[in-house]
Amino acid sequence: AQSVTQPDIHITVSEGASLELRCNYSYGATPYLFWYVQSPGQGLQLLLKYFSGDTLVQGIKGFEAEFKRSQSSFNLRKPSVHWSDAAEYFCAVGARTSYDKVIFGPGTSLSVIP
Amino acid sequence: DGGITQSPKYLFRKEGQNVTLSCEQNLNHDAMYWYRQDPGQGLRLIYYSQIVNDFQKGDIAEGYSVSREKKESFPLTVTSAQKNPTAFYLCASSSRQGANYGYTFGSGTRLTVV
Repeated sequence: AQSVTQPDIHITVSEGASLELRCNYSYGATPYLFWYVQSPGQGLQLLLKYFSGDTLVQGIKGFEAEFKRSQSSFNLRKPSVHWSDAAEYFCAVGARTSYDKVIFGPGTSLSVIP
Repeated sequence: DGGITQSPKYLFRKEGQNVTLSCEQNLNHDAMYWYRQDPGQGLRLIYYSQIVNDFQKGDIAEGYSVSREKKESFPLTVTSAQKNPTAFYLCASSSRQGANYGYTFGSGTRLTVV
């Protein structure tokens, strides 16, 4: 079974600074990988996803993520954070089997200082 | 616009009472899912359905029940057997019978036991 960890529970950055949110997964093969964002009291919105091919994935809102097989990681990055990026971010992993189920990490809460 | 509608947004339940959370989608998605979200624990899968009239238990199905009589609808009943039902409940759907296409989420229902 797959699993996913997000080592940072909470991160605070200044507006305009760069951002990297960490995600590590455990799975016996190459999984499907996702990043979602959740604003307070709302559902989750898909930021980007990795299936195969280019390991650097571009998403919405200026986010990107890089799949590193050797490190079992899928870190999310943004070169310049905006105050509106303050939210909860979830990394998720899906299994490439007939029993498809997505496992979500515990989330990282991002605060942005003006 | 297509999407997922969850209702109500807030729900209060008395001890020993069953309540039903509504989830409707107009995306023509085959698969639908119910997740429970608690602070610091990410999302945990309650039930999922890949086709009409069929559904499967997730990781925390005890105390919950679902039905899938129509493709568009996947209501969740929180029964009196669920001892700690206070949480944020999220419904999601995907376009194929699998997780690799990414999920579309509703805006959630916050259930509180009073």
